[in-house]
Amino acid sequence: EVQLVESGGNLVQPGGSLRLSCAASGFTFAAYSMSWVRQAPGKGLEWLSYISKSSNFIYYADSVRGRFTISRDNGKSSLYLQMNNLRDDDTAVYYCARDQAFDAPHQFDYWGQGTLVTVSS
Amino acid sequence: DIVMTQSPDSLAVSLGERATINCKSSQNVFFRSSNKNYLAWYQQKPGQPPKLLFHWASTREFGVPDRFRGSGSGTDFTLTISSLQAEDVAVYYCQQYYSTPVTFGQGTKLEIK
Repeated sequence: EVQLVESGGNLVQPGGSLRLSCAASGFTFAAYSMSWVRQAPGKGLEWLSYISKSSNFIYYADSVRGRFTISRDNGKSSLYLQMNNLRDDDTAVYYCARDQAFDAPHQFDYWGQGTLVTVSS
Repeated sequence: DIVMTQSPDSLAVSLGERATINCKSSQNVFFRSSNKNYLAWYQQKPGQPPKLLFHWASTREFGVPDRFRGSGSGTDFTLTISSLQAEDVAVYYCQQYYSTPVTFGQGTKLEIK
């Protein structure tokens, strides 16, 4: 069974940093691209970042480029999102999602349950 | 960026009746060389992550009931539930993956009348 489990969400002050993790199991992690998608409270879905299976292709949304960094460790079947200079509007549930494509974000066939990041003073 | 606009924002349908959700993209998401529409549909129930229902606009994911149908091409797409069941109450999102950044519609909340 495919499982994606996010962790690392927390309450952080504006300007602070957090590192999110996503532990994958039930599939060959190294064979799939991955993305991070977030959802602000009561709002819709916003794609944030994509990383190809070998980390050759990486993309970011304009809203996080320069502040967030996506990475992965295929040996640990884990995906990461380093978030710096956090702002109030980064408050959201952050999902990791498995991507069907190999060189750019496409559709997301499996999602984790999400981890909540709250940015507030 | 391609803007995805869904209509209506919310919808109340009686059990057993048809529900129709529309999605319009600001640019064509049909890729001629592959003959595919780069459009997906998701269902999100309260407190749960989204679930992929369709990709390539009309390819149903394994396990999705056949009362769900995805259709459309180019810039106009439709998700149809032929006979609404109680478990279909959710927010539905369309998403384009024709270009990066991939973008989602604002969501359509489907309720029971």
